[in-house]
Amino acid sequence: ILNVEQSPQSLHVQEGDSTNFTCSFPSSNFYALHWYRWETAKSPEALFVMTLNGDEKKKGRISATLNTKEGYSYLYIKGSQPEDSATYLCAIRGFGNQFYFGTGTSLTVIP
Amino acid sequence: EAQVTQNPRYLITVTGKKLTVTCSQNMNHEYMSWYRQDPGLGLRQIYYSMNVEVTDKGDVPEGYKVSRKEKRNFPLILESPSPNQTSLYFCASTPTGGTYEQYFGPGTRLTVT
Repeated sequence: ILNVEQSPQSLHVQEGDSTNFTCSFPSSNFYALHWYRWETAKSPEALFVMTLNGDEKKKGRISATLNTKEGYSYLYIKGSQPEDSATYLCAIRGFGNQFYFGTGTSLTVIP
Repeated sequence: EAQVTQNPRYLITVTGKKLTVTCSQNMNHEYMSWYRQDPGLGLRQIYYSMNVEVTDKGDVPEGYKVSRKEKRNFPLILESPSPNQTSLYFCASTPTGGTYEQYFGPGTRLTVT
């Protein structure tokens, strides 16, 4: 079992603020790290998949980095908008092709 | 439209009454998976399947069964449901050989009384 931790558990920011949150994991023995966005009453949707140390991915105002040596990934949102309000999930795909999810960071962007 | 479907979306049942939650995908994905979501806990993998007739236990398989007779379908079976299986269930599929980006179904809210 891979223990994936996310922090903070929840976050409230003002519209226009930039923010970031963390996914921590104990080992670099995995295939990939995934970020998902989960809006209330919907299904999780894939944001990024990262595999290599130093990987950086970007989609619009959202970006992510991966540091496998120190065991963390950051998700950044630049200029938060109310539509960014969601829970952001981090998951590790282990060598057995099993997925291990963190508990998520709930982001609320206040207009 | 590429999608993962689950049925039923909502179910209230009683302890011990066998039930099946269906999952179907139309994307020809090899990998399919079942998760449960409980308050304060992350998505926990119940079972997953790499392809037809190949299934593996995830973190929380107790009390569940699955089968993968066809590539598109991956039903979740609760032979004798108990109240601790009250949860939100998600099915997901992904193509193998690439990034393993998962596509989630809409979820099934199960209540066992």
